[in-house]
Amino acid sequence: EVVLTQSPGTLSLFPGERATLSCRASQSVSSTYLAWYQQRRGQAPRLLIFGASNRATGIPDRFSGSGSGTDFTLTISRLEPEDFAVYYCQKYSTSPPENTFGQGTKVEIK
Amino acid sequence: QVQLQESGPGLVKPSKTLSLSCSVSGASISSGAYHWSWVRQPGGKGLEWIGRIYTNGITNYNPSLKSRVTISVDTSKNQFSLKLTSVTAADTAVYYCARDLGPGVGMDVWGQGTTVIVSS
Repeated sequence: EVVLTQSPGTLSLFPGERATLSCRASQSVSSTYLAWYQQRRGQAPRLLIFGASNRATGIPDRFSGSGSGTDFTLTISRLEPEDFAVYYCQKYSTSPPENTFGQGTKVEIK
Repeated sequence: QVQLQESGPGLVKPSKTLSLSCSVSGASISSGAYHWSWVRQPGGKGLEWIGRIYTNGITNYNPSLKSRVTISVDTSKNQFSLKLTSVTAADTAVYYCARDLGPGVGMDVWGQGTTVIVSS
């Protein structure tokens, strides 16, 4: 079973700063199968990035994803007030076919 | 615009069966392009994928829940459903349904979520 570990648990930043979130897999993961979601307080998750680096429809270009193998990164270039939320990485496995989420990183206003 | 809406009892007694439905509007649930997933989130905690159903009826479940979960589709109502048997307090959570575009694409449309409390 591949486990996704996100770090840090909480990231305290000012609006306008750059946020770098990490997602590390316990075994190599195909970048094709790695996604990122944003969850604002009281809301459902929202797909941000799929295939490790592809922005979903309507996602601003300040969000970018990168990585391969066991290490993946979500970067928010300049934090807007609405970006303060919890972010989850998620992988799809083929055998058995299932989805797994990381435990989340909270980005909070400093 | 595709929208999903969860419905079902907000309170379930321990050892009973949790049953939820997800109504889909703006898209046909029988379209071969999509899969349909359930995800839950205990209060203050992270997301847990429960399972998915493909339009051909094939299901995949989280191994940790597999023995208690059934996901089914009702194409006549354009909705899909979740049943979770033998519930305990640990099953108390917000339950989300989502459109799953499959491996490499992710879950792109989500319902607003429904809270289910397991308590006597």
